Amino acid sequence: EAAVTQSPRNKVAVTGGKVTLSCNQTNNHNNMYWYRQDTGHGLRLIHYSYGAGSTEKGDIPDGYKASRPSQENFSLILELATPSQTSVYFCASGDHTFSNERLFFGHGTKLSVL
Amino acid sequence: KTQVEQSPQSLVVRQGENCVLQCNYSVTPDNHLRWFKQDTGKGLVSLTVLVDQKDKTSNGRYSATLDKDAKHSTLHITATLLDDTATYICVVGDRGSALGRLHFGAGTQLIVIP
Repeated sequence: EAAVTQSPRNKVAVTGGKVTLSCNQTNNHNNMYWYRQDTGHGLRLIHYSYGAGSTEKGDIPDGYKASRPSQENFSLILELATPSQTSVYFCASGDHTFSNERLFFGHGTKLSVL
Repeated sequence: KTQVEQSPQSLVVRQGENCVLQCNYSVTPDNHLRWFKQDTGKGLVSLTVLVDQKDKTSNGRYSATLDKDAKHSTLHITATLLDDTATYICVVGDRGSALGRLHFGAGTQLIVIP
């Protein structure tokens, strides 16, 4: 079964600070995604990537940057963290072997911005 | 406006009972519909994908239906186990790839008690 590893699992940051969330997959999947999950809401797409070197804006990219330095790694960067970015962040990778892309999610990173 | 509505919001059943979770959506086009299971503090795990105009799938004790005319899906869990306690999330995709828009429901929280 494909595995997606996120780090850290929990993070407390101060307003205005820089935060980097990391995601690693060794499944050789081209597509990777960053979502955030807030209570009472569905997951929302922040950034995604087609492969190494590519990053694309999702539905809610404001305040976030992304970096895909390699096939395996996809980072989400908050240059100036704000309390509204307190959330649980999920990384996913996608397998195009099937007609409908299979998604594999990490366990999430719980971020609190004080 | 939320395009994927799940009901009930939460549900408590006794171990061994059956239950049905509902998903209504207004997403257009509706290429496919996925059901995920999310254990507390964990990532989403795919249960099934429904694609056809009127589709049915079965995966062990989980079975699902999709009616694209009614824009409605159900997830049936038979003979529930304590380990079925989780949030079940309905997701509608407008393309075969997650690179297309994925619309996430807020989930149904299922609690299975002894």
